[in-house]
Amino acid sequence: DAKTTQPNSMESNEEEPVHLPCNHSTISGTDYIHWYRQLPSQGPEYVIHGLTSNVNNRMASLAIAEDRKSSTLILHRATLRDAAVYYCIPFNSGGSNYKLTFGKGTLLTVNP
Amino acid sequence: GAGVSQSPSNKVTEKGKDVELRCDPISGHTALYWYRQSLGQGLEFLIYFQGNSAPDKSGLPSDRFSAERTGGSVSTLTIQRTQQEDSAVYLCASSFRVGNQPQHFGDGTRLSIL
Repeated sequence: DAKTTQPNSMESNEEEPVHLPCNHSTISGTDYIHWYRQLPSQGPEYVIHGLTSNVNNRMASLAIAEDRKSSTLILHRATLRDAAVYYCIPFNSGGSNYKLTFGKGTLLTVNP
Repeated sequence: GAGVSQSPSNKVTEKGKDVELRCDPISGHTALYWYRQSLGQGLEFLIYFQGNSAPDKSGLPSDRFSAERTGGSVSTLTIQRTQQEDSAVYLCASSFRVGNQPQHFGDGTRLSIL
């Protein structure tokens, strides 16, 4: 499994953009980059995933470096509800793959 | 729409008792996964189902743990002769199919062994 490095914690102010980085230098060519988050006392929540191109959805944007060794999850306007632990997870796209391997993630604090 | 539902949300039991945890996946999702999260620890994969079959049970911590899925829907995770180290939040997730698909999680069952 590809290893990931994320900051232990980050802090943001409400309504400001947040850029959450992830290094995954050992990622393989068939690994997608998935992001999940976990709010307090809840199960993990899928945020976004991508392979090479930048991706956007209603929750966030994912910017993937050209060499794919790093990526950044972008929350365009942080809200208090975005306070959570964010996990970057390389996920092999092989049809038999099924297991999400969660690391320690980044604890995001959002200040009012 | 309805998400993944787990019951009970909390369970307190005495050491040595058996417990059964239930997961109702999202309708139409063929893949179902069990994870657990111990206090201050990351998520640990336990087992997954494709339909009613469990191709990989290697994540189950011991032979006291078992799981089944019937009708391609509801799944139960059973822990026999519970021990204090079994205390954790047990999380269930489902996805449309196995593979590069988002997994949708329930809020878990918090299990406390006295």
